[in-house]
Amino acid sequence: AQRVTQPEKLLSVFKGAPVELKCNYSYSGSPELFWYVQYSRQRLQLLLRHISRESIKGFTADLNKGETSFHLKKPFAQEEDSAMYYCALLYNFNKFYFGSGTKLNVKP
Amino acid sequence: AAGVIQSPRHLIKEKRETATLKCYPIPRHDTVYWYQQGPGQDPQFLISFYEKMQSDKGSIPDRFSAQQFSDYHSELNMSSLELGDSALYFCASSVTTSGHTGELFFGEGSRLTVL
Repeated sequence: AQRVTQPEKLLSVFKGAPVELKCNYSYSGSPELFWYVQYSRQRLQLLLRHISRESIKGFTADLNKGETSFHLKKPFAQEEDSAMYYCALLYNFNKFYFGSGTKLNVKP
Repeated sequence: AAGVIQSPRHLIKEKRETATLKCYPIPRHDTVYWYQQGPGQDPQFLISFYEKMQSDKGSIPDRFSAQQFSDYHSELNMSSLELGDSALYFCASSVTTSGHTGELFFGEGSRLTVL
């Protein structure tokens, strides 16, 4: 069965420190993975998807099929990065499975 | 650019009452998803529609029903409301091409409070 695991409920870092939000998945098919971000009192919005291989707001994520991971990284965290981050798996072409989310808190 | 519109944004109901939430997807989006997010919880998938037909069903209670209309807007009907139904209900839309869905675009959510 498909599953997405985000092991950290809360991640606190200081401004300027590197940050890595972990995401592991299990899916027997070919995965498509996304990171969604939810800033305080705002809607969920797409941050990046693995097929586009972009860097958005300084964040990158690489799909590692060997480790079944799609960790989100940023070398220098900013206070405005504080938000909830959800890793999501698209499976069976039109179904999404969201992880439980990681709250990133960037301290000044 | 047009986004996903949800109404109402806030709704307060008593136990055992009925509530209806509406979702207007982005123009030309043919797929609608409903998610429920309880306080401090992750979004739970309820139900989805593609071209006005139900395409998938998640953890939607039997007290809830939903449909997608000819103009692609969707409504989530909730009856016999319980305290535990208090949550933020998100609608998301996307385009499905050759059976494959692109990214989800979320609305701002409808916050339901059941007293």
